[in-house]
Amino acid sequence: DVKVTQSSRYLVKRTGEKVFLECVQDMDHENMFWYRQDPGLGLRLIYFSYDVKMKEKGDIPEGYSVSREKKERFSLILESASTNQTSMYLCASSFWDAGTDTQYFGPGTRLTVL
Amino acid sequence: KQEVTQIPAALSVPEGENLVLNCSFTDSAIYNLQWFRQDPGKGLTSLLLIQSSQREQTSGRLNASLDKSSGRSTLYIAASQPGDSATYLCAVTAGGTSYGKLTFGQGTILTVHP
Repeated sequence: DVKVTQSSRYLVKRTGEKVFLECVQDMDHENMFWYRQDPGLGLRLIYFSYDVKMKEKGDIPEGYSVSREKKERFSLILESASTNQTSMYLCASSFWDAGTDTQYFGPGTRLTVL
Repeated sequence: KQEVTQIPAALSVPEGENLVLNCSFTDSAIYNLQWFRQDPGKGLTSLLLIQSSQREQTSGRLNASLDKSSGRSTLYIAASQPGDSATYLCAVTAGGTSYGKLTFGQGTILTVHP
């Protein structure tokens, strides 16, 4: 079974702190994604990566950066956390194969910024 | 810009009923469409993936159909059970070189009561 793990289930940080959210997948997938999920707004794509050291902006990249130094690990970085970044963060991975890719999601990290 | 809409937003049914969840999308140039299930506070689990060239997919009591030209998909759940209670999300994958980017609907919250 594909497994996508996220470093924390719950995280509480203070405004201005630098925050790292880690995601690891064990299926050698090329593609990895970071989403945030908010009530009334659904899931929105922050960043994605289709290869090591490659990254692409999603729909809402402002205030975030990412790092992909190894194929299995994709990190989301909040350089200076703000209260409007309080959210559920979901990581996913997939293998693109002519339209048959399925995205596999991690359990999510609920981040609260005080 | 692709937009995905799900109707209804919430649905409550007695156990044993057959039910239909609806999803519509504005841009028919998609690679595939996926249905996900999300339990409260958890990540997403992929239920069914329909490629753009397919009309439907089935898994157990679930059947998903796709009418790409009209921008619609339905998820049919037969003989619903309390364990089916969850949020169901529809997502489409963009065509072109978008490396599997998903656009999600807001979801349908399903409650099946005994």
